[in-house]
Amino acid sequence: GAVVSQHPSWVICKSGTSVKIECRSLDFQATTMFWYRQFPKQSLMLMATSNEGSKATYEQGVEKDKFLINHASLTLSTLTVTSAHPEDSSFYICSAREIAGRALTGELFFGEGSRLTVL
Amino acid sequence: GQNIDQPTEMTATEGAIVQINCTYQTSGFNGLFWYQQHAGEAPTFLSYNVLDGLEEKGRFSSFLSRSKGYSYLLLKELQMKDSASYLCAVTDTGRRALTFGSGTRLQVQP
Repeated sequence: GAVVSQHPSWVICKSGTSVKIECRSLDFQATTMFWYRQFPKQSLMLMATSNEGSKATYEQGVEKDKFLINHASLTLSTLTVTSAHPEDSSFYICSAREIAGRALTGELFFGEGSRLTVL
Repeated sequence: GQNIDQPTEMTATEGAIVQINCTYQTSGFNGLFWYQQHAGEAPTFLSYNVLDGLEEKGRFSSFLSRSKGYSYLLLKELQMKDSASYLCAVTDTGRRALTFGSGTRLQVQP
């Protein structure tokens, strides 16, 4: 089946630094990828929709200058948390759906997630 | 907008059957998903319903009633490994992203 891979799985950084998280679709092409954030014991909250070759669409309340998204190819989207602070500590998960195929299920494939801890 | 409600926690016994309900309100409904998520891991796909009725897949079944804005996930022959959070999510015709409910934490006891 289709696979979405995220890197890194874990990252610990100092307050004020920037962290980049990569999301790759390994065996399919995805014009659109989605970035979610999940705080402990809470559900997944959509942060932004990453569109290949164009600007990302951010959800209300998500700072676009803080969470930079780049979707330079059909298999790679990156999320950069700039000037990270402790309140940005969370589980970040990307997801993608194939351009074509799997239309009957509409299944959305998730990456393994990246746990960010800002000290 | 979208609004999704599901119970916060449920407890069941190994070998039993449990039903997790989900109600939703959305414009332009385009499908309902159920995902399983173990602590510290990403969600894994369980089922997708876009038409009314029951979809069965092994020990897991999912039901949808679009007129009632209601779905349930039925887990049979519960196993200890089924202890996890179960997320109900919907998508509408205007967006391709999923909107998730708060999740139901299921605890399976011996």
